[in-house]
Amino acid sequence: AQSVSQHNHHVILSEAASLELGCNYSYGGTVNLFWYVQYPGQHLQLLLKYFSGDPLVKGIKGFEAEFIKSKFSFNLRKPSVQWSDTAEYFCAVNAAGNTGKLIFGQGTTLQVKP
Amino acid sequence: DTAVSQTPKYLVTQMGNDKSIKCEQNLGHDTMYWYKQDSKKFLKIMFSYNNKELIINETVPNRFSPKSPDKAHLNLHINSLELGDSAVYFCASSYSGGRANVLTFGAGSRLTVL
Repeated sequence: AQSVSQHNHHVILSEAASLELGCNYSYGGTVNLFWYVQYPGQHLQLLLKYFSGDPLVKGIKGFEAEFIKSKFSFNLRKPSVQWSDTAEYFCAVNAAGNTGKLIFGQGTTLQVKP
Repeated sequence: DTAVSQTPKYLVTQMGNDKSIKCEQNLGHDTMYWYKQDSKKFLKIMFSYNNKELIINETVPNRFSPKSPDKAHLNLHINSLELGDSAVYFCASSYSGGRANVLTFGAGSRLTVL
């Protein structure tokens, strides 16, 4: 069965600090990978996605993620966080060809101090 | 215009009652989903419909009954509500014809069972 693990449950950073959120998945086949963000009181929004090709993908708001197949990882990064990045971040995976069934990690709460 | 809209946004009810949550999408997508987010913010798929046909039915009590009158609507009816049903329920939609299913989520419906 597929599963997704996010290592950091709660991260507290000061503005301008660099961010890296870990995500590992377990699945032996081809996968599609996603990061979603949930701002306080809002719905989930797609931050970025990886289907194939360049393993370094860039998303909105300066976020990027790197797919490392050998490590089954898809870590999220941002060089300099802002207070407005305070949110819940979810890594998700679905098996290629598996219609829409996203498996989510447990989420990471990011708190950015001004 | 809201792409995926859910009603109601908040729902407070007593144990044993029956309630419904409605979802509509205006994105022209052919697949719709219900996800449940528990108190620890863990997201899990419940159901998925493609062109009004049920395609994903996870291990969900049969007190939960989804209904899709057309591909733009997916409603969730819950009978005999229990305390453990308290959660945020997210509707989502996607287009199955693309490279991979990228889900667009609604704002969520927070259900509180007293």
